[in-house]
Amino acid sequence: DAGVTQSPTHLIKTRGQQVTLRCSPISGHKSVSWYQQVLGQGPQFIFQYYEKEERGRGNFPDRFSARQFPNYSSELNVNALLLGDSALYLCASSPQLVGTEAFFGQGTRLTVV
Amino acid sequence: QQQVKQSPQSLIVQKGGISIINCAYENTAFDYFPWYQQFPGKGPALLIAIRPDVSEKKEGRFTISFNKSAKQFSLHIMDSQPGDSATYFCAASRTTSGTYKYIFGTGTRLKVLA
Repeated sequence: DAGVTQSPTHLIKTRGQQVTLRCSPISGHKSVSWYQQVLGQGPQFIFQYYEKEERGRGNFPDRFSARQFPNYSSELNVNALLLGDSALYLCASSPQLVGTEAFFGQGTRLTVV
Repeated sequence: QQQVKQSPQSLIVQKGGISIINCAYENTAFDYFPWYQQFPGKGPALLIAIRPDVSEKKEGRFTISFNKSAKQFSLHIMDSQPGDSATYFCAASRTTSGTYKYIFGTGTRLKVLA
């Protein structure tokens, strides 16, 4: 069975540009969450989506947005990139909205130059 | 109240030894405490998790000890192996809220010497 898949694996962008990261959850999982992991730190919660609706948002600026599609895959968009947005962006999927294990993908390493 | 404090930041253990990583939390509404293992360039992988109605959970060489009154929990890796060398994160969540998010600790970089 395929786990959580994220694309691309690595990305280099210039300050001010926009980026879109993609995530396919485990088959049958309806919840997708996004986390940002800065080097040397633990992951920080950005968004949770369940059944195509935003169910939670972390302390991130409006430059960050996301959506979930009918097949439960998800995209994370970041506008007006800053150097500080350089991080590993992780997607996690869960079967339900709450109360179940979360399984992480391998992440997308974003470097902003 | 949303923080999870993790220690030590790094740990070096001899092969066959016991690795112990500690975490503390403030929010008593947290009711699910997983531990994740992360290798360089990879996403975190779930190792073991515990709920506060039990004081200990063991899976193979990995044991979580949970002290509800002290709001602390720890991961014990018995018979540590070089392949266990990785970064370990504790986390906490409220499974009863409308948003399911993990609050992660800052991580412990474990090195097991051969």
